[in-house]
Amino acid sequence: NAGVTQTPKFRILKIGQSMTLQCTQDMNHNYMYWYRQDPGMGLKLIYYSVGAGITDKGEVPNGYNVSRSTTEDFPLRLELAAPSQTSVYFCASREGQGANQPQHFGDGTRLSIL
Amino acid sequence: AQTVTQSQPEMSVQEAETVTLSCTYDTSESNYYLFWYKQPPSRQMILVIRQEAYKQQNATENRFSVNFQKAAKSFSLKISDSQLGDTAMYFCAFMKGGGSNYKLTFGKGTLLTVNP
Repeated sequence: NAGVTQTPKFRILKIGQSMTLQCTQDMNHNYMYWYRQDPGMGLKLIYYSVGAGITDKGEVPNGYNVSRSTTEDFPLRLELAAPSQTSVYFCASREGQGANQPQHFGDGTRLSIL
Repeated sequence: AQTVTQSQPEMSVQEAETVTLSCTYDTSESNYYLFWYKQPPSRQMILVIRQEAYKQQNATENRFSVNFQKAAKSFSLKISDSQLGDTAMYFCAFMKGGGSNYKLTFGKGTLLTVNP
């Protein structure tokens, strides 16, 4: 069972570079989320999507972009990497209706901006 | 906006003993859900237990149980018969119910170490 798959697992970027963090889920979940986890902190929501073609900002969207062209994929784009974006990034998904459905998380991507 | 507070940055417990992790939250919502997630060194986020706010009965999952005090807005996690594999960061999380986008708001976490 693949669940939520994130790639890459680790990446080092230089300031000003751009990259895309990939997230794929094979559970046909409507809802998908991107979080960042800074050292000693809980997860903070960057962007989320309630279905293909629909995305919305979370708590900390600045410096990021997302798209949701398919149900399965929800990539996160960093256009101009900054040291403040050094973090661990988690993608998650959940089924649609039913508030008691939990979020399923990927294994995270550790990103360092130098 | 909702806030979740975990006042214990770190805790430790001896193997086979019981430990309680604290969580308080602030919300004006009446329909919501609360969760405890575990994050071991492998970095995975694993759901431990969940509680629906409309249920008075405290949730239990094997060695894990919660003490949900709605009026006090408190949601503590009790781990009985602690095992070495319970060593992890534990996050308390809040989710508004009622057909929302089901976003989670997390606390900062408590690092639990189980000692042999």
